[in-house]
Amino acid sequence: ELKVEQNPLFLSMQEGKNYTIYCNYSTTSDRLYWYRQDPGKSLESLFVLLSNGAVKQEGRLMASLDTKARLSTLHITAAVHDLSATYVCAALTSGTYKYIFGTGTRLKVLA
Amino acid sequence: EPEVTQTPSHQVTQMGQEVILRCVPISNHLYFYWYRQILGQKVEFLVSFYNNEISEKSEIFDDQFSVERPDGSNFTLKIRSTKLEDSAMYFCASSAGGDTQYFGPGTRLTVL
Repeated sequence: ELKVEQNPLFLSMQEGKNYTIYCNYSTTSDRLYWYRQDPGKSLESLFVLLSNGAVKQEGRLMASLDTKARLSTLHITAAVHDLSATYVCAALTSGTYKYIFGTGTRLKVLA
Repeated sequence: EPEVTQTPSHQVTQMGQEVILRCVPISNHLYFYWYRQILGQKVEFLVSFYNNEISEKSEIFDDQFSVERPDGSNFTLKIRSTKLEDSAMYFCASSAGGDTQYFGPGTRLTVL
């Protein structure tokens, strides 16, 4: 059964610093998703990663996928306060339409 | 910009009652999903729906749950006999080709 684990669960960082959030998944997955969730709000799609070595960037966020290591990373460059949110990864169970979500990483960027 | 809408935004019901949560996916999307998120917990997949039938469902999606696309625009989740533990935020999502999913704002279900 596919399991998705994120770390860290909480991250407090200074503005201007870089950091990486990790998403490990336990079995083969066809796709890896990253979402942003603000408190009390819905999920906003950030990235969909489809293949080994995939790298996508949007602004200060960059996501990558290593299917051999079953690892995806979300790298934050020069964090700003507006990036404070919970970042959630999700994986698609191979051969199905079943999605498994991580618990999320709550990011707080301090001014 | 097209968006997924959900109604109601908050539903309060008594245990044992039936509830129907409604969603209007983005108009040209073909894949539809329901998720739930219990307060403070992670998002959980309930069901995916394509071509007018369920393509996948989770262990949570038991006989108390059903989904329907009654017309060309609505996608509904019915819970037949609600339990206290069904209290959660329910999100609908849609996608064009099974890739990027667009989530609705959610319906907060409170079962008393």
